[in-house]
Amino acid sequence: DVQLVQSGEGLVQPGESLRLSCAVSGITFTTAWMSWVRLAPGKGLEWIGRIKNKIDGGTADYAAFVKGRFAISRDDSKNTVYLQMNSLKIEDTAVYYCTTYSGSPGRYWGQGTLVTVSS
Amino acid sequence: DIVMTQSPDSLAVSLGERATINCKSSQSVLSSSNNENYLAWYQQKPGQPPKLLFYWASTRESGVPDRFRGSGSGTDFTLTISSLQAEDVAVYYCFQYYNPPLTFGGGTKVDIK
Repeated sequence: DVQLVQSGEGLVQPGESLRLSCAVSGITFTTAWMSWVRLAPGKGLEWIGRIKNKIDGGTADYAAFVKGRFAISRDDSKNTVYLQMNSLKIEDTAVYYCTTYSGSPGRYWGQGTLVTVSS
Repeated sequence: DIVMTQSPDSLAVSLGERATINCKSSQSVLSSSNNENYLAWYQQKPGQPPKLLFYWASTRESGVPDRFRGSGSGTDFTLTISSLQAEDVAVYYCFQYYNPPLTFGGGTKVDIK
């Protein structure tokens, strides 16, 4: 069975940082591209970014709203992808999902992690 | 950036009737190299992660009932539910993965009339 298990949920103040993790099992993680997507209250799904596998360069692409505040990384030795979020804003309050992006985009998803940014 | 525009924002359909959702991209998502449309459809229910329904615009994901159909090419795409069932109540999203930044449509909420 494929599993994506997320961790790092939290309540933070504006301007603070938070790192989300997504541990993957059941697929060959080293060949997988991975994405992060979020769902803010009352809004639609929003793509945050993706990271390629090391074979394809290991680079990441981001949505414009990230503007250098977020960074996606991966540790193939731990089968884990990370989302580092800095300078968090109230409007970053959302449920964050990791998802696979290989062959078919979004076949497997994490359970979601609630991030609340509030003073 | 490719803008994905879905219509309608919401619709209510009687059980057993057809539901049609449209998705238009601001530029073509059809690749000339492999003749595939880089367009996916997802279903999301409250409190759950999205579920992949179609990729390459019309390739049904395993386990998706055949009352769901994805169609279209280039810039215009459609998701059709031929006979709406109660379990189909959800928000549906189109998604282009042709060029980063990848982008979702705004979503269409489907309810029972």
